[in-house]
Amino acid sequence: AQKITQTQPGMFVQEKEAVTLDCTYDTSDPSYGLFWYKQPSSGEMIFLIYQGSYDQQNATEGRYSLNFQKARKSANLVISASQLGDSAMYFCAMREGDGNQFYFGTGTSLTVIP
Amino acid sequence: NAGVTQTPKFRVLKTGQSMTLLCAQDMNHEYMYWYRQDPGMGLRLIHYSVGEGTTAKGEVPDGYNVSRLKKQNFLLGLESAAPSQTSVYFCASSGGAAQDVYEQYFGPGTRLTVT
Repeated sequence: AQKITQTQPGMFVQEKEAVTLDCTYDTSDPSYGLFWYKQPSSGEMIFLIYQGSYDQQNATEGRYSLNFQKARKSANLVISASQLGDSAMYFCAMREGDGNQFYFGTGTSLTVIP
Repeated sequence: NAGVTQTPKFRVLKTGQSMTLLCAQDMNHEYMYWYRQDPGMGLRLIHYSVGEGTTAKGEVPDGYNVSRLKKQNFLLGLESAAPSQTSVYFCASSGGAAQDVYEQYFGPGTRLTVT
């Protein structure tokens, strides 16, 4: 089974609107961490936001927030007030347990329309 | 502060040739990782290291070897390159459990083509 599933290969959003990128995960370990990364067309991987499995509140970083629904095993990324520079690939990832392995989803391509 | 650097940025190999990719980080991170990225498949972990002198296999280790002789460096070797190893390779580092910092910082990537 896939550890990380991103079901939206491509998404479009109007500039200044909010967008939600979906991510579901699969683990039986009670301790884990969830991450979102951005990969622009230039190719580098940029860390956006982190949520620990024991964190009580949803993580937020500026315009990024992580909608963490533990019972549903989902960790959706919400980008508010989209900007043209947000156009990129977005990857959801998980660190399982105390482990050192990370699992990445296949990514969602986001295009922001002026 | 350079962060994570990778050498080289591009390389073309012929089948059967060998090469080493170098990753260096200046953040004093304990953990280092090598990934490959293929179209439609996200990033897959090849090998990782939790400290100087230690290495472990990831999800797709076959055909690769690694070494971590110094804390700041993590080398990825291809002993006999195959066309299936054509990919973009990313190195990453993180503080890990010891530093309670789990987010990974990535290098710029190495684009490898095996003909």
